Amino acid sequence: EAGVAQSPRYKIIEKRQSVAFWCNPISGHATLYWYQQILGQGPKLLIQFQNNGVVDDSQLPKDRFSAERLKGVDSTLKIQPAKLEDSAVYLCASSWWGNRGASTGELFFGEGSRLTVL
Amino acid sequence: QQQVKQSPQSLIVQKGGISIINCAYENTAFDYFPWYQQFPGKGPALLIAIRPDVSEKKEGRFTISFNKSAKQFSLHIMDSQPGDSATYFCAASPSGNTPLVFGKGTRLSVIA
Repeated sequence: EAGVAQSPRYKIIEKRQSVAFWCNPISGHATLYWYQQILGQGPKLLIQFQNNGVVDDSQLPKDRFSAERLKGVDSTLKIQPAKLEDSAVYLCASSWWGNRGASTGELFFGEGSRLTVL
Repeated sequence: QQQVKQSPQSLIVQKGGISIINCAYENTAFDYFPWYQQFPGKGPALLIAIRPDVSEKKEGRFTISFNKSAKQFSLHIMDSQPGDSATYFCAASPSGNTPLVFGKGTRLSVIA
């Protein structure tokens, strides 16, 4: 079974530029998450989707971050304009929840997209 | 109330020793407590998880101990090996389709 795919793996941009990250979850996973992991810290939730609807985006800085999950499969996270403090690894994760009314609770993470803002 | 506090920040253990990482939480609605393991350049991966109806869960060399009254849980790694060197995150979430809240992580180094 293929894992969660993310691209690009690395991105370096100047502040005030824009960037987009792509995620393809495990096939059949209804729930998709974007987490931000700053160096030396734990992952922090940005947004949670179930199918193509937003479940939780309370911690998403909506003035500069946006995310969408069209057709309930792939997702894109965009940052515009980027700030220095956005330098982090952006992790996408997916889980079974919602497919069959039950879940082990396990999140499956991709390898992340490392963003450096100069 | 959403925080999970993890300690220590870093840990060095001799090969064959026991590694212990602790977490504390405040939100009494939390009822799922996993530990994730992360190697450099990789995403976190589930190691072991527990729900509050049991006080301990063991899988191979890894054990979670859970103290509901103290709102604390810990990860014990027995017979620690150099291959266990990684960053470990505790996490928690309420029931239902709610996202995990992660601790800040513990960087474990197992030296020969």
